[in-house]
Amino acid sequence: GEDVEQSLFLSVREGDSSVINCTYTDSSSTYLYWYKQEPGAGLQLLTYIFSNMDMKQDQRLTVLLNKKDKHLSLRIADTQTGDSAIYFCAERTGGFKTIFGAGTRLFVKA
Amino acid sequence: DGGITQSPKYLFRKEGQNVTLSCEQNLNHDAMYWYRQDPGQGLRLIYYSQIVNDFQKGDIAEGYSVSREKKESFPLTVTSAQKNPTAFYLCASSPTGRLNTEAFFGQGTRLTVV
Repeated sequence: GEDVEQSLFLSVREGDSSVINCTYTDSSSTYLYWYKQEPGAGLQLLTYIFSNMDMKQDQRLTVLLNKKDKHLSLRIADTQTGDSAIYFCAERTGGFKTIFGAGTRLFVKA
Repeated sequence: DGGITQSPKYLFRKEGQNVTLSCEQNLNHDAMYWYRQDPGQGLRLIYYSQIVNDFQKGDIAEGYSVSREKKESFPLTVTSAQKNPTAFYLCASSPTGRLNTEAFFGQGTRLTVV
């Protein structure tokens, strides 16, 4: 069945890089997304990658996709305290449904 | 400014009552969605609508109802049949149901049963 898994917590020091990992099960996934949720707020799309790509870079964000292992990662360079939030991995398959992971809570220590 | 607005931000419900959560968007989006978020879990799809006057059940539709009489509005009713309604509810919209379109989310409504 469809499933997206993420580790629940990640703690990094300010200025370090953060790497948030995600695995998914549906090999027919065409788009994979990273969303950010700040406390008490909705989700904001950070970036997405099409399944025929291996990597996508957008300023401090780098997304890596290993389609063989169904593994997706989000790297945040020079992590700041403002990056503290919950990060959701999501996959979109052939229908209208988007499957979300449980979210990774990123703590940034000053 | 275009956006998607949910109201109220906080809602308290007594057991046995129905409550309706509002979701309005002025982005001219065709598709709208309702998700439920529980601690430590991903978002779960309750209902979605691809077009006015049409909607489909998601994964956890039992105990919920929706309507889509206007393009900009997609209210969610949490009925007394929903046994565990305390959660954070998120509404989203997207231009079409196509895969490469971004979903825009509202700020959420936190529902608590008292």
